[in-house]
Amino acid sequence: NAGVTQTPKFQVLKTGQSMTLQCAQDMNHEYMSWYRQDPGMGLRLIHYSVGAGITDQGEVPNGYNVSRSTTEDFPLRLLSAAPSQTSVYFCASSYGSPGLTKSYNEQFFGPGTRLTVL
Amino acid sequence: SQQGEEDPQALSIQEGENATMNCSYKTSINNLQWYRQNSGRGLVHLILIRSNEREKHSGRLRVTLDTSKKSSSLLITASRAADTASYFCATGLSEGAQKLVFGQGTRLTINP
Repeated sequence: NAGVTQTPKFQVLKTGQSMTLQCAQDMNHEYMSWYRQDPGMGLRLIHYSVGAGITDQGEVPNGYNVSRSTTEDFPLRLLSAAPSQTSVYFCASSYGSPGLTKSYNEQFFGPGTRLTVL
Repeated sequence: SQQGEEDPQALSIQEGENATMNCSYKTSINNLQWYRQNSGRGLVHLILIRSNEREKHSGRLRVTLDTSKKSSSLLITASRAADTASYFCATGLSEGAQKLVFGQGTRLTINP
């Protein structure tokens, strides 16, 4: 299994440009999520999905869109890039929602995409 | 404000010593998870402890949870240079179980 894959690894955008960060998993996980990590900080949840066709907002959703047409893929779209979106973006997946009491809800993380917006 | 607050923010110890990191949180949880992040890499799950558990072990890792104090600790025994990383606690909330809320992390450095 490849686990969780993310593309690209690095990206530089100009202010106002749009782009899509790709995320895919081959573990048949229902739950997928996007986080951003800024220097010296933990991860902040952008959007998440509990299954194909179902998405919802996290802590910092403004400026980002998501869709979940298949179980495997969960792309993150930046609509009009701003310097404040310079960050490292991580995609993660798990069998079920992470806050449930079942023990198999550990998150599997991708390697990240380092995005710079000029 | 952060749901998970970690203490200390940075910790530097000698190889072979034990390392203890603490995490405090504010709201009711279903579980608490610890993750490790090596520099420039994604996060790796270490251990999950449920709200009805008080202590859990995995190899050299020992996690405790005190729901009355809303706090958890991660103990790494007999540290190794390879344990150098950032460690994050993350809480699975009772309200909003679809979300995992991360703390700011503890940067652990193991000196040879």
